[in-house]
Amino acid sequence: DVKVTQSSRYLVKRTGEKVFLECVQDMDHENMFWYRQDPGLGLRLIYFSYDVKMKEKGDIPEGYSVSREKKERFSLILESASTNQTSMYLCASSEGTGRSGELFFGEGSRLTVL
Amino acid sequence: ELKVEQNPLFLSMQEGKNYTIYCNYSTTSDRLYWYRQDPGKSLESLFVLLSNGAVKQEGRLMASLDTKARLSTLHITAAVHDLSATYFCAARGAPSTDSWGKLQFGAGTQVVVTP
Repeated sequence: DVKVTQSSRYLVKRTGEKVFLECVQDMDHENMFWYRQDPGLGLRLIYFSYDVKMKEKGDIPEGYSVSREKKERFSLILESASTNQTSMYLCASSEGTGRSGELFFGEGSRLTVL
Repeated sequence: ELKVEQNPLFLSMQEGKNYTIYCNYSTTSDRLYWYRQDPGKSLESLFVLLSNGAVKQEGRLMASLDTKARLSTLHITAAVHDLSATYFCAARGAPSTDSWGKLQFGAGTQVVVTP
């Protein structure tokens, strides 16, 4: 079974803090994604990566950055957390784009910024 | 830009009855997905629909895809309590489009099944 592991299930941070959300997948998937989920808005894509050291902006990249130094690991960074970044963050991975593209999700990281 | 609309956003179901969730998408897509999310949990893949006319069934759930109408439906037969969850559809942008390779999600349909 594909396993996508997010390092922290719950985090509480203060405004202005730097926040790292880590995601690791164990199925050698090429693609990795970060979404945020907010009630009534569905899932919105923040960043995605098709390969190591490669990143592409999604629909809402402002205030976020990412890092993919190894194929299995994709990190989301909030340089200076703000209260409007309080949300559920979901990491996902999938095989290469020529395949089905089915996403496999981690359990999510619920971030609260005070 | 690929946009995905689901309706209804909330569906109160009676056990034993049949219901349908609709998913429309705005531009060319080469894949359509359905996911289920239980409260406090992550998303679980239900179906991947690859081509026009595709139909997939698992238990009481059946998904279909009409690429000409840019419409997918998730049909629930004889609803039971265990199907209470939020259901999301997502469309993947087709090659040669700005949305290529990216999945756009609908807002989700919250389903509550009552006796």
